[in-house]
Amino acid sequence: TQLLEQSPQFLSIQEGENLTVYCNSSSVFSSLQWYRQEPGEGPVLLVTVVTGGEVKKLKRLTFQFGDARKDSSLHITAAQPGDTGLYLCAGVFSSGSARQLTFGSGTQLTVLP
Amino acid sequence: KAGVTQTPRYLIKTRGQQVTLSCSPISGHRSVSWYQQTPGQGLQFLFEYFSETQRNKGNFPGRFSGRQFSNSRSEMNVSTLELGDSALYLCASSPGGTKTGAFFGQGTRLTVV
Repeated sequence: TQLLEQSPQFLSIQEGENLTVYCNSSSVFSSLQWYRQEPGEGPVLLVTVVTGGEVKKLKRLTFQFGDARKDSSLHITAAQPGDTGLYLCAGVFSSGSARQLTFGSGTQLTVLP
Repeated sequence: KAGVTQTPRYLIKTRGQQVTLSCSPISGHRSVSWYQQTPGQGLQFLFEYFSETQRNKGNFPGRFSGRQFSNSRSEMNVSTLELGDSALYLCASSPGGTKTGAFFGQGTRLTVV
């Protein structure tokens, strides 16, 4: 069974602060994705990282994929209230031609004005 | 380009009944996956279809089934509903392959009473 551990589970910060969310696994994934979900809506894809050591930036969000492709982090600089939401990491576990996303438990981020 | 469309958005059913949920993927996407999201278990993979074939199945009982049509639209069926089946059911489409992101619909909120 492929598992992803995500931390912290809850994060409440003030506007303007920085934060980092971590996603770790004991297994190697072919790729890892980060999503953001609003209440009552489906997750929205933020980024896909594929290569070990890869770093991607999306405005104030920085995503890293570990060298061994077993862990990833999401760093938000100068958080804003609009960043509030559930952040999910998901690893692609490849089995033959099959494709399955294994999700972490999520980080509920609240940014206070 | 239209996004992933799931119908209905909300559904209330009685224990023992059966239910069918529908998903229309993004045009051109051949892979459709289904996930169940609950507060306790998070997002869990149900199954994935590609070109009308089920490629992978998660750890759910046989009461959960699905199919995909030639136009890539997919349906998910749950028979003999139980209270524990109450959840947000999410459909995701992707072009296929293991290194592309998934695009989720808004989900169907199923409540079993």
